[in-house]
Amino acid sequence: DTAVSQTPKYLVTQMGNDKSIKCEQNLGHDTMYWYKQDSKKFLKIMFSYNNKELIINETVPNRFSPKSPDKAHLNLHINSLELGDSAVYFCASSLSTKGEQFFGPGTRLTVL
Amino acid sequence: GENVEQHPSTLSVQEGDSAVIKCTYSDSASNYFPWYKQELGKRPQLIIDIRSNVGEKKDQRIAVTLNKTAKHFSLHITETQPEDSAVYFCAASRKDGGNQFYFGTGTSLTVIP
Repeated sequence: DTAVSQTPKYLVTQMGNDKSIKCEQNLGHDTMYWYKQDSKKFLKIMFSYNNKELIINETVPNRFSPKSPDKAHLNLHINSLELGDSAVYFCASSLSTKGEQFFGPGTRLTVL
Repeated sequence: GENVEQHPSTLSVQEGDSAVIKCTYSDSASNYFPWYKQELGKRPQLIIDIRSNVGEKKDQRIAVTLNKTAKHFSLHITETQPEDSAVYFCAASRKDGGNQFYFGTGTSLTVIP
């Protein structure tokens, strides 16, 4: 009964490739997020989606695009991967009325 | 936008001692302040949170205090145990900002047995 799940857990790929990370939540939450955690452990918000609409988009390169097929899923697609994209990416979800965010297990992306 | 600063970046304490981590924020409209614990290789997990209408909240060995006037909040862990060793993140958010969290830079806490 995993609350927030992500696949894959590890992703190793070459520069220039395109990849996707999937996220699903079964908590009935209405908002989902993507965070990037770099090697210094900084947690930085990338995107949030509320009811299938993007409501916050930080200064993230347009090579990154979130895709939400429904309220329970928010996938992250990355084009033309660069070395600096190597990081752990966390998905999270929340109820907009409650505040607390629940995180997925993370996806460690390594770009060679 | 919101700017959250967190200190110290690393903290070592002897088992049984107390640990205090402090955060400041810049946006006076922020009204929700959670604390997350992240163990090595794992996801961040909420350990305690406080809303702007409360000054202090306690849950067993963990307490959080909030000073809205000074725009700072702190995490207090008493009687520390080795399993408290982890990275702790504070965050600030405002409901009308889409519940976006602005995280502090993290504190790596080591509890020495």
